[in-house]
Amino acid sequence: NAGVTQTPKFRILKIGQSMTLQCTQDMNHNYMYWYRQDPGMGLKLIYYSVGAGITDKGEVPNGYNVSRSTTEDFPLRLELAAPSQTSVYFCASSYPQLAGGEDTQYFGPGTRLTVL
Amino acid sequence: AQRVTQPEKLLSVFKGAPVELKCNYSYSGSPELFWYVQYSRQRLQLLLRHISRESIKGFTADLNKGETSFHLKKPFAQEEDSAMYYCALKWGYQKVTFGTGTKLQVIP
Repeated sequence: NAGVTQTPKFRILKIGQSMTLQCTQDMNHNYMYWYRQDPGMGLKLIYYSVGAGITDKGEVPNGYNVSRSTTEDFPLRLELAAPSQTSVYFCASSYPQLAGGEDTQYFGPGTRLTVL
Repeated sequence: AQRVTQPEKLLSVFKGAPVELKCNYSYSGSPELFWYVQYSRQRLQLLLRHISRESIKGFTADLNKGETSFHLKKPFAQEEDSAMYYCALKWGYQKVTFGTGTKLQVIP
């Protein structure tokens, strides 16, 4: 199992550009999450999904969009990049306890994004 | 609103000394709490969760609802314990709020 994979590892964007951060998991987890981590801060939830076709906003969704067409993939889209979106982005997945899982979140390695 | 507070950004201890990483939470519902750890050049991973009441790598954490705390403890620190530690609160259906993290530095 590769677990949770994220691409790219690093990216520099200009203000106003758009990009998609990719996230894939091979553990058949139905829950997936996107977090951002600013320097010296904790992880903040951007969006999450409880299954294919279902997504919901987290604490800081503005400026981002997500989709979940398959169980495995949960891409995060930045439409008009702004310097405030400079951060490290983490994708995670989990299998809920209610469905027999552990609720543990499994994290990807992160994507470091800089917007200049 | 739910909140997780880790008051120390950096905690330095000598090898063999006891460790206590503090975590306080604010949540009106029934809390589920976790400790996650990130070792150098590795991804964030679960260390332990309060409902399991387990000891992982010598670490334990007890949920104290009266003090709204979930401090992480280890009686004798090892050099390999040096890492970033995050306390996390699960709330709502599947949302998780993380603290800002504490860097543990174990001095040989």
